Amino acid sequence: GESVGLHLPTLSVQEGDNSIINCAYSNSASDYFIWYKQESGKGPQFIIDIRSNMDKRQGQRVTVLLNKTVKHLSLQIAATQPGDSAVYFCAEKGSNYGGSQGNLIFGKGTKLSVKP
Amino acid sequence: NAGVTQTPKFQVLKTGQSMTLQCAQDMNHNSMYWYRQDPGMGLRLIYYSASEGTTDKGEVPNGYNVSRLNKREFSLRLESAAPSQTSVYFCASSRDRLSGNTIYFGEGSWLTVV
Repeated sequence: GESVGLHLPTLSVQEGDNSIINCAYSNSASDYFIWYKQESGKGPQFIIDIRSNMDKRQGQRVTVLLNKTVKHLSLQIAATQPGDSAVYFCAEKGSNYGGSQGNLIFGKGTKLSVKP
Repeated sequence: NAGVTQTPKFQVLKTGQSMTLQCAQDMNHNSMYWYRQDPGMGLRLIYYSASEGTTDKGEVPNGYNVSRLNKREFSLRLESAAPSQTSVYFCASSRDRLSGNTIYFGEGSWLTVV
C-alpha cells in the first residue's frame, strides 16, 4: 500500500544554519502535500503546502520542494532558530485509492533540534 | 481566535470505562476528523465527517464511535476503554475534504487507560 515516510528520524543543526527535512511518498497519484510542525505538547501546526502541479513553493523562511519523478518532498528552513525545534511531519492527500480518498496520510515525523 | 477546541486535555480511565472526547470548531468548516498519535508514529485517522450528518471510518476505527452533533461539533466515544487506546487524540477540521484544503488541529487530548 501507499506510505509516506521520512529518511531521517532526527536532525540536529546549529542555530543560523539551514535545515533540510526529507520525505518520501509512494502514491504517484497524490495531488496535495502539507508540512506540519508539532511542538511538544501541542497539536500539529500548518507550515506550508504544495500541489502536484508545482515543483517549489516558498513561504517565510521555509521552502517546500516536490520532485514527482522520484516521489520526494523536502522542507527547507533558512537560518534555523531555536524556536524551530519541533517534530516535522509531511502529509499526503490520498487521491484516488479506495476509501481513503481525500484523507491525509502522515509520515512518522522528523525531530529537529537546534543547537544555540 | 479559538480554531479547534477539544476537551478534556488529560484523562485517566480504567479498563472498561467509557468516555467521550468533545471537539468544536468555529471556522465554519464542513469536514472534521479524529486522529490518534502514538509514540514513533504519525497521526492515524480514526473517523471523519465529510459534512454535517455524515461520518465514515478511517484507518483505525475499532473501539470508537463518533457523532457529528452539528456543523461545529464532532465527538469521539470510547465505549469500553482498553489499554491499547492509550494515546494522544487530535481533533481537526477543514473547509472540505476533497479539495486539499488545509486541515487545522486542536491541541490534543492525552488519554491513559490503566
